[in-house]
Amino acid sequence: DTEVTQTPKHLVMGMTNKKSLKCEQHMGHRAMYWYKQKAKKPPELMFVYSYEKLSINESVPSRFSPECPNSSLLNLHLHALQPEDSALYLCASSQGPPVPSSGGNNEQFFGPGTRLTVL
Amino acid sequence: RKEVEQDPGPFNVPEGATVAFNCTYSNSASQSFFWYRQDCRKEPKLLMSVYSSGNEDGRFTAQLNRASQYISLLIRDSKLSDSATYLCVVNLEGVETSYDKVIFGPGTSLSVIP
Repeated sequence: DTEVTQTPKHLVMGMTNKKSLKCEQHMGHRAMYWYKQKAKKPPELMFVYSYEKLSINESVPSRFSPECPNSSLLNLHLHALQPEDSALYLCASSQGPPVPSSGGNNEQFFGPGTRLTVL
Repeated sequence: RKEVEQDPGPFNVPEGATVAFNCTYSNSASQSFFWYRQDCRKEPKLLMSVYSSGNEDGRFTAQLNRASQYISLLIRDSKLSDSATYLCVVNLEGVETSYDKVIFGPGTSLSVIP
């Protein structure tokens, strides 16, 4: 199974709503990531979880709250978002450092994303 | 200087053409390198990893020059289905931190025209 799944595919929410994005992988990967992508721009890293611990928070506003319940699941809790937060939110996973001794390059595998619209 | 830079594009090429994308990175301690492709409104998909010795996968050839901090992707015999945005990706895994830090280039758009 080389798939990363994300739910929901689309989400429309008001600025006062609370919602959650979910991500799941069953590849035994130890690193999981949240990215935000605006149109015609590359993905921007938001958070990295490595071995279920938050390793990177790229100065993301507190209205975004990540959670890693276990090594296969990653959530992103949303509260009091702004219209400019509308974007494609991508989850990814990788084996995590160090680089595998068997070779390979710690490639990241992406989920299909959640297209979020904040009204 | 941006951490990862790519040809600005867009590239519009006829079917069957050969097209080359270039990418440069600023952190000489970068550990691993990739090319991803992203179709409109879809997620990025790994096209190929880039190894120091260079590697080929069918019509696609990737090269890495660590001394020049330069990565390239060559596509031969372009197909209509190659139309996408190509993203150069650099991983600083374990260099400054104990975790992966992945940096995306801005992407180069390719349109293959019949």
